[in-house]
Amino acid sequence: DTGVSQDPRHKITKRGQNVTFRCDPISEHNRLYWYRQTLGQGPEFLTYFQNEAQLEKSRLLSDRFSAERPKGSFSTLEIQRTEQGDSAMYLCASSLRTPPATNTEAFFGQGTRLTVV
Amino acid sequence: AQSVTQPDIHITVSEGASLELRCNYSYGATPYLFWYVQSPGQGLQLLLKYFSGDTLVQGIKGFEAEFKRSQSSFNLRKPSVHWSDAAEYFCAVGYPGFQKLVFGTGTRLLVSP
Repeated sequence: DTGVSQDPRHKITKRGQNVTFRCDPISEHNRLYWYRQTLGQGPEFLTYFQNEAQLEKSRLLSDRFSAERPKGSFSTLEIQRTEQGDSAMYLCASSLRTPPATNTEAFFGQGTRLTVV
Repeated sequence: AQSVTQPDIHITVSEGASLELRCNYSYGATPYLFWYVQSPGQGLQLLLKYFSGDTLVQGIKGFEAEFKRSQSSFNLRKPSVHWSDAAEYFCAVGYPGFQKLVFGTGTRLLVSP
């Protein structure tokens, strides 16, 4: 297993266009997270999945953003009608949670850098 | 609200010198604490983590960190810095059940010859 994989690594799009990013987590991991990182800032939580269920969404995730994890494996993050403020690095992470343990660690992908022009 | 503060935006250290990066957190219960490193244009790599037990934790690449509950701190240290350590370092706090991480704004480490 080569870790968390994200595609594409870079995306340049015109304002108003839709974009979709893909994340392939570490194969046995049941949790998948999306974060957004703008220049000079730390990553900010967007949403997470436990298997195929989306359990939490940040207020940062406006209605133009939608994330799916249809079969509990890979995930997609779609941004509709992109705006210049959406320019950021979008990071995906995965982890394995096996109750009753509550502590675990997240492994991050290399990110997708989005530039909206 | 939970938060993480990294007071130093940039730090420059001479190669071979020791390093300490500061991290303070605000959280109402026992935190899970992490340090990640990020090279330019790359994702995050976990350096070390604290969940419980011994408050001095060892990580990869010769890094260590000490959890001090009384000071709400989790400072990262390395006794001798190498040029390859130049990167951005992020401290993060985790929630019980690990739904998400809250990150600090990062400290950029520059290593001078």
